[in-house]
Amino acid sequence: DIQMTQSPSSLSASVGDRVTISCRAGQSISNFLNWYQQKPGKAPKLLIYAASSLQSGVPSRFSGSGSGTDFTLTISGLQPEDFATYYCQHTYSTPPWTFGQGSKVEVK
Amino acid sequence: QVQLHESGPGLLMPSETLSLTCTVSGDSIYSNNYYWSWIRQPPGKGLEWVGAFFYTGYSYYNPSLKSRVIISGDTSKNQFSLTLTSVTAADTAVYYCARLVRGTDYSFDSWGQGTLLTVAS
Repeated sequence: DIQMTQSPSSLSASVGDRVTISCRAGQSISNFLNWYQQKPGKAPKLLIYAASSLQSGVPSRFSGSGSGTDFTLTISGLQPEDFATYYCQHTYSTPPWTFGQGSKVEVK
Repeated sequence: QVQLHESGPGLLMPSETLSLTCTVSGDSIYSNNYYWSWIRQPPGKGLEWVGAFFYTGYSYYNPSLKSRVIISGDTSKNQFSLTLTSVTAADTAVYYCARLVRGTDYSFDSWGQGTLLTVAS
């Protein structure tokens, strides 16, 4: 199984801040890396697929980068609705398609 | 637009068997374009991929659950199901069904709202 490790596990930020979350895979996964946003009591929502492609309808302040083993989710200009937990997930090769442990963005 | 909806018992006793169904509307599970998956989330914890069903009838499972889980599809009802045997308190979680798009995307683009399973005596 490919392990996915996110950092930080939590962070405090203010509206307007630039926020960066990292995700590292236990082996190279090319660009088979997705990012999801989850708010309390809700299902996860796809933000970024294939490491850097923005899902339709997702604001352009969200961006993703990376390939191989190291990936980054960036929120440029944090908005009040962006306080949530973010998960990375790989879909490289055959399953299991594991998730990172999550990164919670909280209000400073 | 595809919609997924989970249904299940809500509460089980330890050692019982869980049966969950995901009803899909707006798309067919008999498609080469998708995997149909179950993902769970224990209270206050992260997401765990449980397994996936492909239209050919082949299913993939999380190795940590493989001995207890079966995922199958019913194309006549456009549903897919999760069966998990010998449940324990550790199986208490919100269970989501989700669609994974194949091709360049290979991502879970559509999710159900989730159904909570509580295992308690």
